[in-house]
Amino acid sequence: KAGVTQTPRYLIKTRGQQVTLSCSPISGHRSVSWYQQTPGQGLQFLFEYFSETQRNKGNFPGRFSGRQFSNSRSEMNVSTLELGDSALYLCASSFTGTATTNEKLFFGSGTQLSVL
Amino acid sequence: DQQVKQNSPSLSVQEGRISILNCDYTNSMFDYFLWYKKYPAEGPTFLISISSIKDKNEDGRFTVFLNKSAKHLSLHIVPSQPGDSAVYFCAASEYTSGSRLTFGEGTQLTVNP
Repeated sequence: KAGVTQTPRYLIKTRGQQVTLSCSPISGHRSVSWYQQTPGQGLQFLFEYFSETQRNKGNFPGRFSGRQFSNSRSEMNVSTLELGDSALYLCASSFTGTATTNEKLFFGSGTQLSVL
Repeated sequence: DQQVKQNSPSLSVQEGRISILNCDYTNSMFDYFLWYKKYPAEGPTFLISISSIKDKNEDGRFTVFLNKSAKHLSLHIVPSQPGDSAVYFCAASEYTSGSRLTFGEGTQLTVNP
């Protein structure tokens, strides 16, 4: 079956602009999480959506927001872009969003955002 | 506050030898630990995991060891193969935190033929 699909793969924006990233989870998965990866920082948790509701949120400013649609597809929005927002943004999906022995997160290939 | 730390940014080993990747954590509430592997231009892929009630889990060439008293886990790859060359991320979660994983900074493993 198809994996997690993220679009676009690459984005170049300038400071002050806003950007929207898209994520289509694996069919049947209802949980979608977003992570930011920057060099030397590992992956930082942004937020998680389950059944169209934000269930968990990381320590990012309010400029970072997201939503989930009834078909489980999710979008992430960053407003008033800053140079430090340049990063790889990864989306992950799972059935119920519980990191247990029987459930795993499946990641997309990410969207590489460059802010100039 | 880096709750999960991988102190070695890189590791180089010879093909056929053992690779040992280390990870330390500070949050005693973590009860589930995972290792992910990431190739360039791809998302991380799940490798192996371990629950806090165990101290060892094996899957083929990969074994994860957990030392709860030391808050330390390690990933052993035996024998190492050139295709194992990738960035390895250690991650941890609390049962109540859902799919929120706390990741380490990653270790670049290079396996030389």
